Amino acid sequence: KQEVTQIPAALSVPEGENLVLNCSFTDSAIYNLQWFRQDPGKGLTSLLLIQSSQREQTSGRLNASLDKSSGRSTLYIAASQPGDSATYLCAVTFGGGGYQKVTFGTGTKLQVIP
Amino acid sequence: GAGVSQSPRYKVAKRGQDVALRCDPISGHVSLFWYQQALGQGPEFLTYFQNEAQLDKSGLPSDRFFAERPEGSVSTLKIQRTQQEDSAVYLCASSSDPGAQETQYFGPGTRLLVL
Repeated sequence: KQEVTQIPAALSVPEGENLVLNCSFTDSAIYNLQWFRQDPGKGLTSLLLIQSSQREQTSGRLNASLDKSSGRSTLYIAASQPGDSATYLCAVTFGGGGYQKVTFGTGTKLQVIP
Repeated sequence: GAGVSQSPRYKVAKRGQDVALRCDPISGHVSLFWYQQALGQGPEFLTYFQNEAQLDKSGLPSDRFFAERPEGSVSTLKIQRTQQEDSAVYLCASSSDPGAQETQYFGPGTRLLVL
């Protein structure tokens, strides 16, 4: 079974710290990997999308890396802010399906303390 | 509209009732997905439409769940004879690309509570 795992499940950091969220997946034959943010009571917002041919993507203070051979991705958040507090979900599109059948991890709940 | 919308946002049902959840995707988006998100879990795939065709319904948990998208735009997820284990947030997402090149845009979800 194709699975996506995220650790830690929850993380609390003081404002200004740099932090790393981890995602691992069981099958290296992926099409792409995305990081989403979910705020309480709201839908998901796509943060970064990495195609299988890419190693990393950057957007502002966010940097996501992808290592298919080891089945891992990391989301790096620089200079964290209280507004970054949310649940971060890793989502993998495993290859061969021809469409975006996405498998999500269980998420990391981040709290940035002012 | 500017984004994916879903209605109702909250639904309380008595066990055994039928419910219908609506999704309005972004105009022109070919692909539409339904997910179920239990408390503290990530979303789990339910079903996928490309235009009006339901190409994958492998994630539907039982035959009490039924989804349709008759005109290739609005979609409805129907749950018959609701059970307590159906309590979850139901998310809809749409994408402009029938392949896997583009991200999915998610609606705010419908929170279903079955008593």
